[in-house]
Amino acid sequence: ETGVTQTPRHLVMGMTNKKSLKCEQHLGHNAMYWYKQSAKKPLELMFVYSLEERVENNSVPSRFSPECPNSSHLFLHLHTLQPEDSALYLCASSQDHSGRTKNIQYFGAGTRLSVL
Amino acid sequence: QKEVEQNSGPLSVPEGAIASLNCTYSDRVSQSFFWYRQYSGKSPELIMSIYSNGDKEDGRFTAQLNKASQYVSLLIRDSQPSDSATYLCAVTGANSKLTFGKGITLSVRP
Repeated sequence: ETGVTQTPRHLVMGMTNKKSLKCEQHLGHNAMYWYKQSAKKPLELMFVYSLEERVENNSVPSRFSPECPNSSHLFLHLHTLQPEDSALYLCASSQDHSGRTKNIQYFGAGTRLSVL
Repeated sequence: QKEVEQNSGPLSVPEGAIASLNCTYSDRVSQSFFWYRQYSGKSPELIMSIYSNGDKEDGRFTAQLNKASQYVSLLIRDSQPSDSATYLCAVTGANSKLTFGKGITLSVRP
């Protein structure tokens, strides 16, 4: 148990559906992250939030919409996804984003998303 | 484009052997270096971090960092079947962004 909880663990959705992924961290961290992990590819950073403000958006399509209502919760809203968006979506948190604390990131178990 | 490269693998070693996992990185000002282990279907788990040149040992794991050569490695002594997993090298650059390699799959044969 890393202290980062993601729900749901598995999600199957059609291309016209709207769904949301949820992440909650119980570590008292100030930075949260969304990553995409596809087969045979490195982990891809999607979004970074620091103290509830988005500090990085890594050229992610607008069909992915993040929301960070507070430093403990992070959402990823999904709409009109494509089959190539099928992947493992991982949430992570760290103490802060500045690098002063060496930025160790702790990962949740991930949501396995399948887009039909 | 800041890159982190790992051998494509897979790597197979017999039980009890030393497994050597290698990683190179392109950003010369990288500051922090991590090895994560990821079991199939699970999330990445931090097993080692290293910040200065030299070796860092933790149990059966030793991380080695050579900033001049832009090289970081992980040695696993007395490999066990439970060490079979994908190992991800990750590097933090000057902008604090964590960049991951593709990972290498290690298989320890009983």
